[in-house]
Amino acid sequence: NAGVTQTPKFRILKIGQSMTLQCTQDMNHNYMYWYRQDPGMGLKLIYYSVGAGITDKGEVPNGYNVSRSTTEDFPLRLELAAPSQTSVYFCASSYVTPGNTIYFGEGSWLTVV
Amino acid sequence: GDSVTQMEGPVTLSEEAFLTINCTYTATGYPSLFWYVQYPGEGLQLLLKATKADDKGSNKGFEATYRKETTSFHLEKGSVQVSDSAVYFCALQLQGGSEKLVFGKGTKLTVNP
Repeated sequence: NAGVTQTPKFRILKIGQSMTLQCTQDMNHNYMYWYRQDPGMGLKLIYYSVGAGITDKGEVPNGYNVSRSTTEDFPLRLELAAPSQTSVYFCASSYVTPGNTIYFGEGSWLTVV
Repeated sequence: GDSVTQMEGPVTLSEEAFLTINCTYTATGYPSLFWYVQYPGEGLQLLLKATKADDKGSNKGFEATYRKETTSFHLEKGSVQVSDSAVYFCALQLQGGSEKLVFGKGTKLTVNP
């Protein structure tokens, strides 16, 4: 009963380094999302995907890239990490039907120093 | 644009007290409305939802009614428990393509014994 799985759970990066946050879901969901959560703030959408091969920008896409080569996987790439990218990152997925529940992973805590 | 405004926290209550967390929204069209809960160190979990006007979502003693006339979706619980201590997020789901969620900033609830 895995659901949405994110790795790593914790990571410290140096300024200018790059890394990929992995996300996989086993529910055969069409839609996948990446959100970031800053302290005292709600979640902001970074990128989303409505199916394999299709991605689109959310509210705060700068400094990130995504790909969706399979239904299951939706990795988020951080290029040239900056302190402003210190945040908690959540991957999520859902079926296409409006009103359907969006399921979240447990989060990835990223610190850029 | 579409947005969610939540009651500012933090909220501190004694066990068995009545809880209300206010949530209002601005949206074009007819969004679905959600309450998500985040326990310390965990991801977000769906608490309840409503997909059309006058619908009432309920779960674990929590309730919220979709009020189109006041564009509100206030969360209530008659008698809170220590285990309800968490951050609560109100969210709306946009229709028509991405089904992405727009979140409020969250309200931290602490329930004391």
